[in-house]
Amino acid sequence: DAGVTQSPTHLIKTRGQQVTLRCSPISGHKSVSWYQQVLGQGPQFIFQYYEKEERGRGNFPDRFSARQFPNYSSELNVNALLLGDSALYLCASSLAGRLYNEQFFGPGTRLTVL
Amino acid sequence: AQKITQTQPGMFVQEKEAVTLDCTYDTSDQSYGLFWYKQPSSGEMIFLIYQGSYDEQNATEGRYSLNFQKARKSANLVISASQLGDSAMYFCAMREGDTGRRALTFGSGTRLQVQP
Repeated sequence: DAGVTQSPTHLIKTRGQQVTLRCSPISGHKSVSWYQQVLGQGPQFIFQYYEKEERGRGNFPDRFSARQFPNYSSELNVNALLLGDSALYLCASSLAGRLYNEQFFGPGTRLTVL
Repeated sequence: AQKITQTQPGMFVQEKEAVTLDCTYDTSDQSYGLFWYKQPSSGEMIFLIYQGSYDEQNATEGRYSLNFQKARKSANLVISASQLGDSAMYFCAMREGDTGRRALTFGSGTRLQVQP
C-alpha cells in the first residue's frame, strides 16, 4: 500500500514569492495535518483538516493557508515567502481525528527561500 | 512552559546494548496520548510507539518500550538491543484530548548514535 506522498520533494523560491505544497494521504485516511520543521527543531503544527474542514490551526501567520479536497488530498499555500519559511514541510495523515490514531508522515517537502 | 521536554540533545550507545531516551510532558488534560517518532537523515518521521493516558500497562512494540510514569509526567523510550540502523533523531510528541485539539506537539528531539 502506498504511504503518504508529498510533492515536490525540493523547492527553491525567492523572498516574496508564493508556494503550493501538495499531499496525498494514505488510502482511507480522512485527516491530514501539516507541520513545519525548521533545521534542528521538532516539527511545529500548522493545520489539520478532517473531512475537508479545518479542525485546527497552529500559531502561524495568515500567509499560511491550506485546503482539503473531496479525495482527501491537501494543499498548503504560503504567500509572501520570508527567509524564515525555509524548512521541511511534513504532511501527516490519520484515519480520523481521534486521540489514539497515529499520524503517518510523508517524506516532506524541503523548501529553501533565498 | 514547554509541553514536551527532551533534555538529551545527543546520546551514544554501543551496538546490542539498551538505551533510554527521556521525555517529560506538561498538560492539564486528563485524556492525552504520547507518541515516539524516529527521523532518519532522509527526513521522514516513522511512528514507533503510542501510550494513552488511561493505559494501565506500558506500551511495547518489538524492541521499543515506553516507560510511562504518569505521576512524574514522563514517557521515556527504551530501545533494547540497539542496532546500527537505530542511529537517527528521536522525537517525543503529545496529543491532548480534552480540548479537542488533535495536533501533535513535539519535543526538540534526541540524536541517537549507535556505535559498533
